[in-house]
Amino acid sequence: GAVVSQHPSWVICKSGTSVKIECRSLDFQATTMFWYRQFPKQSLMLMATSNEGSKATYEQGVEKDKFLINHASLTLSTLTVTSAHPEDSSFYICSARGRGGNTGELFFGEGSRLTVL
Amino acid sequence: AQSVTQPDIHITVSEGASLELRCNYSYGATPYLFWYVQSPGQGLQLLLKYFSGDTLVQGIKGFEAEFKRSQSSFNLRKPSVHWSDAAEYFCAVALTGGFKTIFGAGTRLFVKA
Repeated sequence: GAVVSQHPSWVICKSGTSVKIECRSLDFQATTMFWYRQFPKQSLMLMATSNEGSKATYEQGVEKDKFLINHASLTLSTLTVTSAHPEDSSFYICSARGRGGNTGELFFGEGSRLTVL
Repeated sequence: AQSVTQPDIHITVSEGASLELRCNYSYGATPYLFWYVQSPGQGLQLLLKYFSGDTLVQGIKGFEAEFKRSQSSFNLRKPSVHWSDAAEYFCAVALTGGFKTIFGAGTRLFVKA
């Protein structure tokens, strides 16, 4: 099956710094990628939809300037948490839908755990 | 508004016993339906999916799910649970058009020896 890889798997940073998380589709071209946030023992909350070559579409309540998403190529999307604060600590998961994929199936990365001190 | 409901926050079953995890959705049309499994600190793995056709779908690891249009349900079943099945299970609905996927709250499965 299709493989999606996230990096880093976990990161610890100081409050006020920015952190970049990468999401790569390793063996297929991902026209659309989705970024989710998951709090402990909770479900996944969709943050934004990222289409290659265009601006991301953010869900209501998600700060665009806080969570910068770039989808510059068909195999890479990045999420940058700017000026991170402790409340941004969470598990971030990306998923991808491949080109020609009209069945809605998503392929998920392993997730990135962010801890802001 | 579209929604996915998993009424059971957690379920405990004995190893070897059968399992059924419930999922109901609210959507104007028949969506694409999925079950995903998540082990602690990991991403999600697709167990099975329903798009159309036979309403009983088979997935990996011995799981199956049945789509019942009249009940707007897509319950997950397994005839005999193994200790390695302990994990969090998410029911998900992909909306037609943009394929935005909405997840249920999840059901945590505990397996006792």
